[in-house]
Amino acid sequence: AQSVTQLDSQVPVFEEAPVELRCNYSSSVSVYLFWYVQYPNQGLQLLLKYLSGSTLVKGINGFEAEFNKSQTSFHLRKPSVHISDTAEYFCAVSEEAAGNKLTFGGGTRVLVKP
Amino acid sequence: GAVVSQHPSWVICKSGTSVKIECRSLDFQATTMFWYRQFPKQSLMLMATSNEGSKATYEQGVEKDKFLINHASLTLSTLTVTSAHPEDSSFYICSARSPIEQFFGPGTRLTVL
Repeated sequence: AQSVTQLDSQVPVFEEAPVELRCNYSSSVSVYLFWYVQYPNQGLQLLLKYLSGSTLVKGINGFEAEFNKSQTSFHLRKPSVHISDTAEYFCAVSEEAAGNKLTFGGGTRVLVKP
Repeated sequence: GAVVSQHPSWVICKSGTSVKIECRSLDFQATTMFWYRQFPKQSLMLMATSNEGSKATYEQGVEKDKFLINHASLTLSTLTVTSAHPEDSSFYICSARSPIEQFFGPGTRLTVL
C-alpha cells in the first residue's frame, strides 16, 4: 500500500526567503506524484505533478519539485516566497494499479512573514 | 485545468436531517469521481470512489448507508449525508478524474447543529 509522509507540519518563512517542503512516499510500484496547495476554505489547486521523464518538475507560481527515486522523495521548493504563498500544501501519490486513487500526506502549513 | 463545481458551498442543518452535496465536472466527462472528507487542520481522507453507472466503492470504515453516493451521469455525482449528526460536520471535497490527474471541487462545508 502506498503512503505519504510530510515531515514538517508547519514551516514559517520570511518573505523573499527560499522554502523547501519535504515529502517522502512508500510504494512497491511506480507512482505518480503531485503537490497541491489549499487556501483557507477552498479546494485543492494543482501546483505540479511528476508522471515520467525529467525528475525536475516546474509548476505554477514559481514552484518546482524534484523526484528522487532512490530516496523516494518529492520535495517542493520555491526560491523566493511571497505573502500570498501562505497556505496549506499537500503532497500526494497515486498508483495506476490502485485505480489512480490519491493518497495524501498530512500537509504542511506555510506561513510567510513580512 | 478542468473545472469541477460543488453545490452548495456551505450548509447548516439540524441533527437528524439529510443533506445532499452535488459535484459536477463542467467541461469534461468523468466516469470516476472521488469524495473526500477533511477535518480542520488535517489532510484529506478518501471516503469513496464514485463510478458512473455502478455502485460506489467505499473505503474501510466509511458507512455506505450513511454516505449515499449516486453517479447518475458522466458529469454529476452526489453525496447524501443521511441522518446527519454533529460529528458529521466537516469539509467535503469531491474530485473528478481524467486519465491520470484529478481535478478538485471547491469543497462544501457542512455544519450539523
